[in-house]
Amino acid sequence: AQKVTQAQTEISVVEKEDVTLDCVYETRDTTYYLFWYKQPPSGELVFLIRRNSFDEQNEISGRYSWNFQKSTSSFNFTITASQVVDSAVYFCALSEAENTDKLIFGTGTRLQVFP
Amino acid sequence: GAGVSQSPSNKVTEKGKDVELRCDPISGHTALYWYRQSLGQGLEFLIYFQGNSAPDKSGLPSDRFSAERTGGSVSTLTIQRTQQEDSAVYLCASSLRGIVGEEQYFGPGTRLTVT
Repeated sequence: AQKVTQAQTEISVVEKEDVTLDCVYETRDTTYYLFWYKQPPSGELVFLIRRNSFDEQNEISGRYSWNFQKSTSSFNFTITASQVVDSAVYFCALSEAENTDKLIFGTGTRLQVFP
Repeated sequence: GAGVSQSPSNKVTEKGKDVELRCDPISGHTALYWYRQSLGQGLEFLIYFQGNSAPDKSGLPSDRFSAERTGGSVSTLTIQRTQQEDSAVYLCASSLRGIVGEEQYFGPGTRLTVT
C-alpha cells in the first residue's frame, strides 16, 4: 500500500537557522514520483520540486535542497538560512505509475520561522 | 496566464442542504483533480478527470458526493445532504496532460462549513 509519512508535525526555528523536513514513503511500484508542495498562510499549494524514482541525484535550488535516498525510502527537504517568509505548511507527496497520477500526501509539517 | 480558480471561496450551509463547488482549470489542461483538506484526514484525493471522463473516483467518500466536468473544462463537485463531517477545504488542481509525475497546479480552495 502507498503511504507518505511526515513525522514532524510542527517545527519552530529562528531566522537563519537551517532546518530539515523529513519525508518517508512506502510504495510497491518501481516507477513513482515524489513531490514537495508549500502551503503558505494564504492557503494555495505551491509546487516546489518533483523527483522520479530513477533519479537519486540530490538537487539544490537557492536555499532549498532535497535529498532522495531509495535505500531508506526518504525524500528530505532542507532549507538553509531560513527566513520568515519560509513559514508555511510543507507537504510531501507520492504518485505511482500504476495508480493514475493522483497525489498521495503526507500530513504536512508546519514550519514557523521566527525573526 | 490565469491559474486554477475556484468558487465560492467560502460556503456556509446548513446540515442536510446540497452544495455545488466549482473549479475552472488552467486553459488547455486536460486533467483535473479534486482533493479535500480537513483537520482529521489531512489532504486526500477525491476524483480525477481526464477530459470529461472520470477514470478514478476512488476517493469519493460516499454516494452523496458526485462530480462532473463539461467541455473538458469547468468541473462541479456536488455534495448532497451535507453533514458536519463534510466541513473542509475543497481543493481543485489541474495538469496539462494528466500523466504520472506531471506537476499539478492548485486553486485557492473552497472552504465549506456545515452548521
